[in-house]
Amino acid sequence: AQSVTQLGSHVSVSEGALVLLRCNYSSSVPPYLFWYVQYPNQGLQLLLKYTSAATLVKGINGFEAEFKKSETSFHLTKPSAHMSDAAEYFCAVNIGGSNYKLTFGKGTLLTVNP
Amino acid sequence: KAGVTQTPRYLIKTRGQQVTLSCSPISGHRSVSWYQQTPGQGLQFLFEYFSETQRNKGNFPGRFSGRQFSNSRSEMNVSTLELGDSALYLCASSLGDRDTGELFFGEGSRLTVL
Repeated sequence: AQSVTQLGSHVSVSEGALVLLRCNYSSSVPPYLFWYVQYPNQGLQLLLKYTSAATLVKGINGFEAEFKKSETSFHLTKPSAHMSDAAEYFCAVNIGGSNYKLTFGKGTLLTVNP
Repeated sequence: KAGVTQTPRYLIKTRGQQVTLSCSPISGHRSVSWYQQTPGQGLQFLFEYFSETQRNKGNFPGRFSGRQFSNSRSEMNVSTLELGDSALYLCASSLGDRDTGELFFGEGSRLTVL
């Protein structure tokens, strides 16, 4: 079975500081990994995805994530936080193939302080 | 290209009633998935449809059902509503043909059960 663990339900950073949101996955086969962002009263928007190509993945809004198989991790980073980054972030895993179900982490709420 | 459209966006029902939610996927997408989002349980997979057939089902009671039409539009129905069914119901579409499983989400239908 596949699962996702997001460490820290709430992360607070200052504007301009590094953003690091942690995600660890469990999968019996090489997974596809995703980070989604959700703004208040909206659906989920894809930030980036890992699909077994480059291990360092760049996404929208300056975010990137690195797939580390040895650590079963897919942490999300952004060098400099902006006020507009305040939102909830979800890591998700899909083992692909005939499995069309994303398994999501519990989410991390990012607060950006001025 | 239009995104995933969900209707209605907000609705209020009372216990024991039933509700039907609608989802129009992105043009060309043949897979539609439904997720329930609550503060306590996070994002939980309900079911996934492809070419009018249910391919995957989550661990929800039989009161939750869905269907997909020949134009890929989907509906989900919840009968005999309970207070705990209050949630944001998210619909997502994808190509569905053994792809990476990337999902494109609508803005959701927020159901309140009184």
